[in-house]
Parts: sequence; C-alpha cells; structure tokens
Amino acid sequence: AAGVIQSPRHLIKEKRETATLKCYPIPRHDTVYWYQQGPGQDPQFLISFYEKMQSDKGSIPDRFSAQQFSDYHSELNMSSLELGDSALYFCASSLGIAGGYNEQFFGPGTRLTVL
Amino acid sequence: AQKVTQAQTEISVVEKEDVTLDCVYETRDTTYYLFWYKQPPSGELVFLIRRNSFDEQNEISGRYSWNFQKSTSSFNFTITASQVVDSAVYFCALSVSTSGTYKYIFGTGTRLKVLA
Repeated sequence: AAGVIQSPRHLIKEKRETATLKCYPIPRHDTVYWYQQGPGQDPQFLISFYEKMQSDKGSIPDRFSAQQFSDYHSELNMSSLELGDSALYFCASSLGIAGGYNEQFFGPGTRLTVL
Repeated sequence: AQKVTQAQTEISVVEKEDVTLDCVYETRDTTYYLFWYKQPPSGELVFLIRRNSFDEQNEISGRYSWNFQKSTSSFNFTITASQVVDSAVYFCALSVSTSGTYKYIFGTGTRLKVLA
C-alpha cells in the first residue's frame, strides 16, 4: 500500500540558510499535518491543511511557512535557520472527513541538521 | 487543558517478561480519540491502535493488549512475552480539535528496552 513520502530524508544546512521539505500524502487523503520532533522529545504539531486550506496552526515559528498544492502535496519552508531547528520533521496524512477517529499515517521523516 | 502523561521515561525488561506502559490523559471533550504509536530506532512512527471515548472494550492483538478506563482517564498498553524487536519508544496520543480538524497531542514517550 502507498505510504506518505517525504523528501529529502536527510538535510544539512548552515545557520541562516533556508530549507524546503516536501511531503506527498497517501492518495485520497485530504488532510496533511507537519510535526517537529527534537532530540529525545515527543513530536510537536506545527501546522495542518485540509483540502489545500490551512486548517490549524501550532507552535510554528514565523520563519516557517507551509502550503498544500493542487495535487495535495505539501511543502514546509524554513528560513533563517537556527541551530535549534535541528530536528526530525514528520509529515502525516489522514482522511479528515471522519474527524479525529481516523489515524494519521506518518512519513519516514526528514532529519534536518543545522550547523 | 488537553494533556497526555506518560510517567515512565524508560523501562528495561528481560526478554519474555510482560511489560505495561502507562498513559494518562486529560480532556474536557466528551468525544475524544486515543492512539498508541511505536517509534523504533529507525525513527518512523508506526500506528498501533486507536480507541474512541465511547468504546471501553479492551482489545488484544497477538502479544499486545490495551486497557482503556475512562474512570481513571487511562489507556495502558501491555506487551506479553516481550521480544528484543519490541525495543522502541512508545507514544500515547490524544486527538484534539481546535478548529474543525484534528491534531495529536503526544505524551513524552516511554523508551522500552528489551534485553536478550
């Protein structure tokens, strides 16, 4: 079965650079989520999209922005990178129509290292 | 407040022992959803089980079982006859809605080490 695809899997950037993370949800899933997991931490919700519209926002820095495109893939853009942005970034997708009952399927994550 | 507490930071057991991972949640919602995910050393998050607030029936799936008790706001996870491959971080999550769509609030996770 198709899973959530994230690219790249690993990314190394210097401070103050920009990074773009991509996510391709499971076909027919209408909701995409982004989470950030720092070392030894639990995943923290950043932002979500339902049918290409932003639906909720968590503790996402102003330096970050995201969007969902017409083909349902999503991109997380991160600018002015800081050392503290080093983390594992997960994208997840679900069928949003049933509300919170449907589980979120997570991609393998993008490991971002900021030097 | 919406919150998930996993008080056990790390547990070590010897293979074939049974182990229970605790999860306590807080929510004011009358309808809510709880999940368990496994994060092996490779890093991905693997869905294990979901439970909604109206379904207090306990569930068994192979060596895994879950005990959901609304009276104590707990959703505990037991692995019977643990194996080395069960070594992972296990997260309990509460699905909450603030604007029509749902997001997860995760507990801080319990790292399980199963020793051969």
